[in-house]
Amino acid sequence: GQNIDQPTEMTATEGAIVQINCTYQTSGFNGLFWYQQHAGEAPTFLSYNVLDGLEEKGRFSSFLSRSKGYSYLLLKELQMKDSASYLCAAFISGGYQKVTFGTGTKLQVIP
Amino acid sequence: NAGVTQTPKFQVLKTGQSMTLQCAQDMNHEYMSWYRQDPGMGLRLIHYSVGAGITDQGEVPNGYNVSRSTTEDFPLRLLSAAPSQTSVYFCASRPPRSANVLTFGAGSRLTVL
Repeated sequence: GQNIDQPTEMTATEGAIVQINCTYQTSGFNGLFWYQQHAGEAPTFLSYNVLDGLEEKGRFSSFLSRSKGYSYLLLKELQMKDSASYLCAAFISGGYQKVTFGTGTKLQVIP
Repeated sequence: NAGVTQTPKFQVLKTGQSMTLQCAQDMNHEYMSWYRQDPGMGLRLIHYSVGAGITDQGEVPNGYNVSRSTTEDFPLRLLSAAPSQTSVYFCASRPPRSANVLTFGAGSRLTVL
């Protein structure tokens, strides 16, 4: 089966750094997505990791360890607009190459 | 390009009624899919299609039908709505045969009374 775990909620202070963790147990794992979803809106793409290591994209970075089944999303210099849910999703190959989502982490940024 | 367009944005149904959620994309994406999103459950795949005339079931297909007569359109049908189908529905598409990014529609909020 497929299992993706991430914390339900997190709170962080404006200007700070926050790390959102994601662990996964999936067969046919091909890569790991992170999406951002503001309340009442559609998910939007943040990052995709296939190889182990850290990928940086502006204030956001994403890390993957395939051997540990672990990923994290790092948000630096937090802004109030970063308050949103962050969805971890595994790309599964074989069959129909589906994307399986975790339940999401709701991040609240406080002044 | 409009991207992925979903209609309606909001709908209220009574138990037993039928309806169709529409999804259209203008990016020539072969892969299209429907997800539902419920509190504490995350996004769950209902049905997907890898091209015109080809559809298959996802994780939670019961109570839903789909068809794919054109590359652009992928409607989701509820034949006899149940309160358990109260949810937010997202249509998403991507180019085929690679881990390309899913582009989501704005979502359709359905309430079944």
